[in-house]
Parts: sequence; C-alpha cells; structure tokens
Amino acid sequence: SQQGEEDPQALSIQEGENATMNCSYKTSINNLQWYRQNSGRGLVHLILIRSNEREKHSGRLRVTLDTSKKSSSLLITASRAADTASYFCATDEGGSYIPTFGRGTSLIVHP
Amino acid sequence: EAGVAQSPRYKIIEKRQSVAFWCNPISGHATLYWYQQILGQGPKLLIQFQNNGVVDDSQLPKDRFSAERLKGVDSTLKIQPAKLEDSAVYLCASSFEGYGYTFGSGTRLTVV
Repeated sequence: SQQGEEDPQALSIQEGENATMNCSYKTSINNLQWYRQNSGRGLVHLILIRSNEREKHSGRLRVTLDTSKKSSSLLITASRAADTASYFCATDEGGSYIPTFGRGTSLIVHP
Repeated sequence: EAGVAQSPRYKIIEKRQSVAFWCNPISGHATLYWYQQILGQGPKLLIQFQNNGVVDDSQLPKDRFSAERLKGVDSTLKIQPAKLEDSAVYLCASSFEGYGYTFGSGTRLTVV
C-alpha cells in the first residue's frame, strides 16, 4: 500500500522561482523522508524529518511537517534547471521504519 | 564511501524466461531492501533483509519471485518465469540501523 501521496502530480516553473510540493499520509509515522529521482536513475535521499520535528533545512531545501494534519511540504527555493526530477515522500507506517513511497511529483524547471 | 552497486543496468527478456539481479550494499549496512518501481509510480517494497534474514516479504510474489542474501552482504533477486507486468525498474537500497537509506541506480527490466 502507498502511505504518502504527493501533490501536485506535476509542476512546471521557471528557473529562479520557488517550487512547493506537498505530501499527505494516513497513519502515524516515526519519520518522513523526501527523495529525488532523476529520469532513469536511482533515488537520492534529500531530507529526513522525525515526527517530533516541525521544520528542517538543507541548502535550498526546506521541509515542514504537520503531524496534526498528517502532511509535509518540500520547498525548493531559487530553483535551477538541474532540479528537474521527480520528488517522492516516503513515510514509515507505524513502527515499521520501512519507507513507503507515494507516486511522486514531477518537477520541470525551465531555464 | 562507495554506493550501492547493482547489475545489470538494463535487461530485456521474453516472457516466461528467467532473470536475476544483483546488489552489493554499502559496507556495514545490515539492512537491505529490494523495491519494484513501475513506470509512473513510486517504488514498492518487495523484500527487506536484516543481515541474511528476511524481515518482510509480504509484497513479494513468491510464486515467481525469490531473493536471497547469503552471508549477509550481497543479494540476488530472481524472477522465474517473467510476465509482461514485471517490466519495471528494480531498486536495491541499504541502510544502517534504519536511517539514511541509500539507493542503487537500479536495473531496468523490459519483458517482451
């Protein structure tokens, strides 16, 4: 079963703009992770946020987590063409600690 | 550190044939995962190993899929016989104590 669901399914922006992707999930989690996948490649781990954290930053990435709404958002600031990829959130269901992925958001950044 | 290695990178087979994929995790990572990613979808867990023992294989189609991790290091995933719907990217990942998952580049399987 897929725990996290990303929204929107596709996002097209111009270089320099900010990109925001959302993830909603159904059951309680221990951690939520965001991954990037370039076309035809493996997944790259971006950020892990624990259930007791509300916000984390990594370079141009900002992740927020609202456990009351069972949702998370990934913000990419000052986007670049190289950010073009699919972005997935992965949640662990209950105490499993096994990441379960959504369908992803396809981001296209136009130069 | 070296990443998760997978081979082959690509494989094309006819339906009803068999195929095997190989994964070498990051040194010291006790946990190894195999995921199946169908085009346009997110990865779906097939099996999780802790050292050489199976932790979760509830979503592995055991009538045709098998996996092993002898000696708790390398792992192989086999499909026999393959069906058209098995066409997907097969991803291997490893982690240390359940955090910081590292994925390999995957094997793209096409069944014709």
